Amino acid sequence: IAGITQAPTSQILAAGRRMTLRCTQDMRHNAMYWYRQDLGLGLRLIHYSNTAGTTGKGEVPDGYSVSRANTDDFPLTLASAVPSQTSVYFCASSDSEGAQPQHFGDGTRLSIL
Amino acid sequence: GENVEQHPSTLSVQEGDSAVIKCTYSDSASNYFPWYKQELGKRPQLIIDIRSNVGEKKDQRIAVTLNKTAKHFSLHITETQPEDSAVYFCAASKRDTGRRALTFGSGTRLQVQP
Repeated sequence: IAGITQAPTSQILAAGRRMTLRCTQDMRHNAMYWYRQDLGLGLRLIHYSNTAGTTGKGEVPDGYSVSRANTDDFPLTLASAVPSQTSVYFCASSDSEGAQPQHFGDGTRLSIL
Repeated sequence: GENVEQHPSTLSVQEGDSAVIKCTYSDSASNYFPWYKQELGKRPQLIIDIRSNVGEKKDQRIAVTLNKTAKHFSLHITETQPEDSAVYFCAASKRDTGRRALTFGSGTRLQVQP
């Protein structure tokens, strides 16, 4: 089934540990995004990539890094996790031309202790 | 940058009634306005969207209206059903040389009472 796959679905992590959240899409979308969702705050953009080889910072990029080596994959890395990064993380993708709807993965629920 | 405000934060209606959720945006260059429905523990799913060259769009029981002058847009759900209960998010974006990402409102929790 075409779409976006995120892994893991959930994770409990000790503070200070490094963690990479995986995101893969098979729709050949050029643009990909990472959002975090916290209660009462909606979804906030962490990082984005308009095309393979390029990335950009969103509203809340501190403590996170991304890479876009190819069209399909867009991993998000927490270099040294902190409790404030406890959240639900959604990866999304869209066709890059014009205003296009974004398609979301099922999310990763991350708890930092 | 863009700022999107959404009201109300919670909305309770009786089955069969209509529900209206309103959003305002700050950046007059924004040209794309989607609405997402998110059920508990699920991903946000697009239910309807509108572009700035259109004032209204309808899809069965769901409609969205856009007022570019006032910079606000609204979601209208008619003949509500219990399965409409969810959190609804509005969003806005624009095509520019940088990010095309969405700026989301803070969400409205809709409860449809049977």
